[in-house]
Amino acid sequence: GAVVSQHPSWVICKSGTSVKIECRSLDFQATTMFWYRQFPKQSLMLMATSNEGSKATYEQGVEKDKFLINHASLTLSTLTVTSAHPEDSSFYICSASSGRALNEQFFGPGTRLTVL
Amino acid sequence: DAKTTQPPSMDCAEGRAANLPCNHSTISGNEYVYWYRQIHSQGPQYIIHGLKNNETNEMASLIITEDRKSSTLILPHATLRDTAVYYCIVAAGNQFYFGTGTSLTVIP
Repeated sequence: GAVVSQHPSWVICKSGTSVKIECRSLDFQATTMFWYRQFPKQSLMLMATSNEGSKATYEQGVEKDKFLINHASLTLSTLTVTSAHPEDSSFYICSASSGRALNEQFFGPGTRLTVL
Repeated sequence: DAKTTQPPSMDCAEGRAANLPCNHSTISGNEYVYWYRQIHSQGPQYIIHGLKNNETNEMASLIITEDRKSSTLILPHATLRDTAVYYCIVAAGNQFYFGTGTSLTVIP
């Protein structure tokens, strides 16, 4: 149980295009989902927290207009990187929490974004 | 911001116990200690968590000092598949701030 998937696993796009990454909780309802970014040889950096049906809360320094997060259902959150540039190339990881157990987070496998 | 400090890297011989330390001297009374690990290019994997008592599960043991200012993750019999970056996180709510972690290399 408690499986989180991400799609796509790897995406390559041209500079200036927008890319959507999906995060799904496969066997539980995720009241809260989190998005992280990880640059090579660095740690995970929390970008934003989203609760189902409400606007995401972004961490300081993360541009909300650049990284659009939608959490429209209890099993799906999407992160859209708008007008992507090479510096947005990174490993994007989501996690999900059902809220049933204290502070549990189940992580997805990550999506590697390469912007040319 | 991360509230933990860990050594950047450690080696461990295969079959031996791996003891990974973590300092969290500013931990608050309601914050738990969590351990996750990340194998290259994968999402983090939950290992164990605790508040103040020592904890054990099928993967590892967690030893938390009485003052809760530090903890140690113990992998009792390390295997090559345990090679990963291990993250120690303290959190009260559901927002995790990852530190730099410890890169554990298990040597044959």
